[in-house]
Order: sequence, then C-alpha cells, then structure tokens
Amino acid sequence: AQTVTQSQPEMSVQEAETVTLSCTYDTSESNYYLFWYKQPPSRQMILVIRQEAYKQQNATENRFSVNFQKAAKSFSLKISDSQLGDTAMYFCASSQGAQKLVFGQGTRLTINP
Amino acid sequence: EAGVAQSPRYKIIEKRQSVAFWCNPISGHATLYWYQQILGQGPKLLIQFQNNGVVDDSQLPKDRFSAERLKGVDSTLKIQPAKLEDSAVYLCASSLVVAQPQHFGDGTRLSIL
Repeated sequence: AQTVTQSQPEMSVQEAETVTLSCTYDTSESNYYLFWYKQPPSRQMILVIRQEAYKQQNATENRFSVNFQKAAKSFSLKISDSQLGDTAMYFCASSQGAQKLVFGQGTRLTINP
Repeated sequence: EAGVAQSPRYKIIEKRQSVAFWCNPISGHATLYWYQQILGQGPKLLIQFQNNGVVDDSQLPKDRFSAERLKGVDSTLKIQPAKLEDSAVYLCASSLVVAQPQHFGDGTRLSIL
C-alpha cells in the first residue's frame, strides 16, 4: 500500500523568501507519479506540480520546483520568491500506476508581509 | 473550459438523516473520483469511476454510502443514514483519462449535528 508523510504541520516565512516543504512516500510500484496540490481556504485543490517517477529530471513550474530523490523516496517542494497568494495548505500526493491519489496530512504554509 | 461543478456548497443535517451530493465533471473527462476530506487531514478516495463503471470503491462504507454515475457524466454521492463521523468536505475530481492529472471541484462541506 502507498503511504505519504508530511512531517511539517505548519510553516511560516516572510514574503519574497524561499521555502521548502518536505514529503516522503512509500510504494512498492516502479511506475508512479508524485504531485503537490495547493488548497486555499476556498477548498479547491489546485495542482501545483507533477513528477513522473521514471524521469530523473526534477520538475519545475515558474517559482515552484521539486527535489525528487527516488532512492530516498523523498519529494520536496521549493517555492522561490514567495508571495502572499501562496498562503494555503499544501498536500503531497502519490498515484500508483496512475490510479487513485494518496495524500499526505498537509502542511499549512503562511506567507507573512 | 468550465471546471468541475459541485453542489451544494454547504449542507447541515442531523444524524441519521440522508444527504446527496452532485458532481458535474469537466466535459469529456472519462474518470471521476469522490474524496472525503476530514478536517485536518488529506483527502481520502471513496470511489473512482471510469465512464459509468466503478474502478475502485474499496474505501467506500457501503452500508451507508452509495454513488452512481449514470450515462458516464454526472455523479451523485449519497449517505444514508448519516453519522457524526461523516462530517467532512466531499471533493469531486475528474481527469481526461486515468493517467492525466485530476481537476477538483470546490467541494461540499457537510456538517452533522
């Protein structure tokens, strides 16, 4: 069975700083995907970034990038030049064979002005 | 394109009553998911449809929860009778095909009194 663990319940940084959110996962499959989703108070889950396990290159999307360490089963999210609008819950998730998403417990990120 | 639509946005009922949630996925999306998100936790998959067939309902409490996706488009999730522990946000998501990222609706917040 898949498991996803986020060890940081809350984080807080100043605007324009860089912040890294941690995530570890466990899976017995060789074909899987990893995701970071953002959930603002509006409740809608918004896809931030996606990583295919077979790709060694770390995914990037503008200010968002990941550090994917396959052997360590680690998948951290780095947010550069953080903005007030980045304040939200962030969930790490894995998808085994492109089936259901298994989510971690989430990290509440606050960007302070 | 229009996103995943869910209704109602909020629902308050008493325990032992019944309730139903509706989801309209993005047009053309074959795969539809229902997740339960209890406060302070990550979403958990309840049921996954591929067109109008069930792919995974292993975590659906079938003694009280039911879901259907008639004609492979809209879906309804029902709880009968509701228990206090069913208080949660119910999220609907859809994807073009199983391997593609999931797009989420705004969810329905259910409160059981």
